[in-house]
Formats: sequence, structure tokens, C-alpha cells
Amino acid sequence: GESVGLHLPTLSVQEGDNSIINCAYSNSASDYFIWYKQESGKGPQFIIDIRSNMDKRQGQRVTVLLNKTVKHLSLQIAATQPGDSAVYFCAERLSGGYNKLIFGAGTRLAVHP
Amino acid sequence: NAGVMQNPRHLVRRRGQEARLRCSPMKGHSHVYWYRQLPEEGLKFMVYLQKENIIDESGMPKERFSAEFPKEGPSILRIQQVVRGDSAAYFCASSQQGNNEQFFGPGTRLTVL
Repeated sequence: GESVGLHLPTLSVQEGDNSIINCAYSNSASDYFIWYKQESGKGPQFIIDIRSNMDKRQGQRVTVLLNKTVKHLSLQIAATQPGDSAVYFCAERLSGGYNKLIFGAGTRLAVHP
Repeated sequence: NAGVMQNPRHLVRRRGQEARLRCSPMKGHSHVYWYRQLPEEGLKFMVYLQKENIIDESGMPKERFSAEFPKEGPSILRIQQVVRGDSAAYFCASSQQGNNEQFFGPGTRLTVL
């Protein structure tokens, strides 16, 4: 079936290191991808997005890479901080569909001092 | 500028009772989306509404679940005759237009005893 992403693995990093979180998607018809951060007990918070006509987009300390050939999305966080500890979800939106998002299962990022 | 508001934040119901979850979108937003999240999983799309219209309810169970977004007042997700499997976090998101970024509320955590 249509799905995005991962089972819920945990990525442990040291404070100050760079983090890379990966996501595989299966819908070649998707035209828009988003990364969300979710802290315990809260709703998802938008981090960065990318459209299918791009392969890289940079924000503040974050970079999203899109490889449509292998249907792969990654989120890079530079100089990871304790406040970055959360579950990260990728989500996709199908082209021509309504604005419903298909979420992956997420990756837990644990930042150690 | 208040964000998306949901209430109650926590709701406990016994099997067979009704659950009503409310969502007030951000000011100026006329598009509302409901998602369900089980523990350690990503969000699953349920329904997409505009004022007084259901646009896409492809993710909503056919029985016991209904949603509305009246001309005045919040959007309501209603679950009749709740069962233990309905226990989850229910998130509402809103957007200004149908293809714009979705802003998420803090969620309602439903527990069915």
C-alpha cells in the first residue's frame, strides 16, 4: 500500500555533532515533502519542506535532500543541540490530490551532552 | 496570533460512550484536517473539511465516526459508541488555502476504558 517511512528507530548523537535522519517514500506521484518535529505531548511542528522539482533546500541549521530516483528523503541537522531531541516525521503529499499528508512512522532523535 | 486550539486536551470515556473533539483553526484559516496517531506511529489522515463541506473523508472509518466544520464555531470530530481501539491522540491541523502549510494543534488524547 501507499506508505512513507520507517519503523520507529532511535538515532543517538552527541551534542554538537551533525544528525542525518532518513526516510523512504513509495509514491512517485508525490509533489511535496515536509519534515516535522514532534516533542512529547505536543503536535507536529513544521521544520522544512521541499517540492519535487528541487533536490536540496536549506534552512537554519537544517537541510533537506530529495532523491526522486530512489524515492529517498533526508533531514540533516547541523550542530545538534539537546533541544533537538524529539521524534522526526517525514510526510508527503500526492500530486493532484487534496492537501492530505501521508506520514512515516518517525525517527526518535536522542541528543546526549 | 493564537495557533490551532484543540479541546479537551485529555478525554476519558467508557466503552459505548460518545467522544466529541473540538478544533478551532488559526485565524483566517478555512481548511481543517483531522489525523489520528497511535503510540510510536506516524499520523494517519482521517478527514479534510472546509467551512460546511467535507472535501475528503477517505481516511475516516465508515461507522461511528463523523466530522463537521460549521459556518460558525469549531470543527468537531465525533466518535459514537467508542471502543478501546479508538484510544489514540487526535490532531487537528489548519491551513489558509487547500495547498498551503498545515499548522497542527496540540492534540486530544482519548482514552477508552
